[in-house]
Amino acid sequence: DTGVSQDPRHKITKRGQNVTFRCDPISEHNRLYWYRQTLGQGPEFLTYFQNEAQLEKSRLLSDRFSAERPKGSFSTLEIQRTEQGDSAMYLCASSLKVVGETPEAFFGQGTRLTVV
Amino acid sequence: AQSVTQLDSHVSVSEGTPVLLRCNYSSSYSPSLFWYVQHPNKGLQLLLKYTSAATLVKGINGFEAEFKKSETSFHLTKPSAHMSDAAEYFCVVSESEYSTLTFGKGTMLLVSP
Repeated sequence: DTGVSQDPRHKITKRGQNVTFRCDPISEHNRLYWYRQTLGQGPEFLTYFQNEAQLEKSRLLSDRFSAERPKGSFSTLEIQRTEQGDSAMYLCASSLKVVGETPEAFFGQGTRLTVV
Repeated sequence: AQSVTQLDSHVSVSEGTPVLLRCNYSSSYSPSLFWYVQHPNKGLQLLLKYTSAATLVKGINGFEAEFKKSETSFHLTKPSAHMSDAAEYFCVVSESEYSTLTFGKGTMLLVSP
């Protein structure tokens, strides 16, 4: 399968612990996005990269959150000092951006985080 | 700023009857619009995409949507519902090639036999 891959699929952590999620995009895609989805809501934008550059961050992304995309390939999303409000599904998506077009995004199955 | 309003949180239909999921958008530019579907425990899947070409867009699994600029709407339709269509549907807007995707809150489609 050459789709977007996320790891782990599920994570249970204690409040105050740090967690890190990984996303492997579709190989030729230059854009990578992170979204967060809570129950009953649509996905909310967190941040995105074009190649290795982080181009935009949502105000939802507090200082406890950091994302990287070294070498423009896979990406990691780290949450430090987790809080119960961080419990959500974290979605990664990728797209191929070409000039003059709005790309469609392909989503992974997400990482479900539960903070206890 | 771009935004999307999905007018119904739940829609119930019987198998074989038409489906209508309503979406209104707000954008300062000529937007691109998408519909995604999310089945339980599955990833979001793109149904169709509008990008300023034909206003009637055909997607996968018999779904289509019509872009109406005067009404700022992008409603999703299907002539005949199938049990496998039961899922959550998201209307999504992106007002330029430099914008990210903004999702609506979703409409849960329930299909009864």
